[in-house]
Amino acid sequence: GDSVTQTEGLVTLTEGLPVMLNCTYQTAYSTFLFWYVQHLNEAPKLLLKSSTDNKRTEHQGFHATLHKSSSSFHLQKSSAQLSDSALYYCALNVGDNSKLIWGLGTSLVVNP
Amino acid sequence: NSKVIQTPRYLVKGQGQKAKMRCIPEKGHPVVFWYQQNKNNEFKFLINFQNQEVLQQIDMTEKRFSAECPSNSPCSLEIQSSEAGDSALYLCASSRGGLNYAEQFFGPGTRLTVL
Repeated sequence: GDSVTQTEGLVTLTEGLPVMLNCTYQTAYSTFLFWYVQHLNEAPKLLLKSSTDNKRTEHQGFHATLHKSSSSFHLQKSSAQLSDSALYYCALNVGDNSKLIWGLGTSLVVNP
Repeated sequence: NSKVIQTPRYLVKGQGQKAKMRCIPEKGHPVVFWYQQNKNNEFKFLINFQNQEVLQQIDMTEKRFSAECPSNSPCSLEIQSSEAGDSALYLCASSRGGLNYAEQFFGPGTRLTVL
């Protein structure tokens, strides 16, 4: 079946260091991949999306590239900020108007 | 910023009581989703609608859950007889629909506590 795997439950970083959060997926369908960010007591917000193989997508300093050959969509940022502390979810959409398939999320904690 | 409206933001019920929450999707978004986010922050899909029609739904937890999206009224999710395990954040999302507009925009959620 369709699934999303985020291998890190918790990532703790010092401000200024690079961020990389892993996301791999399994699906038989042509699809969109998303990264959502959820700050404490807030709604999940769309951070990045892609359906194009090997094309880098960027927003708010974060970037990710969908690699269909390795079924990956890792989230990266060159320099972490304190305000980046949040839950990050990778999600998969596999059809018209279909539910999202969610990873378990990665909690990113950025320390001074 | 998302314009999905959810009410109430917080809901406290005793076991066995009904719990009802509402969602107004973004204007122009005919597709509505309900998710449950549990205390471990895991997402569980519940149901989705296109206009008033159900598209997909899980086996709605012993039929205690019901949902609708009537024309010209807010969408709603109701738990007939709340249980402690229903305590969670209930998130409503909407989208424009179609594969090229697959992104979903979320409301702030209704946090249900069942005592």
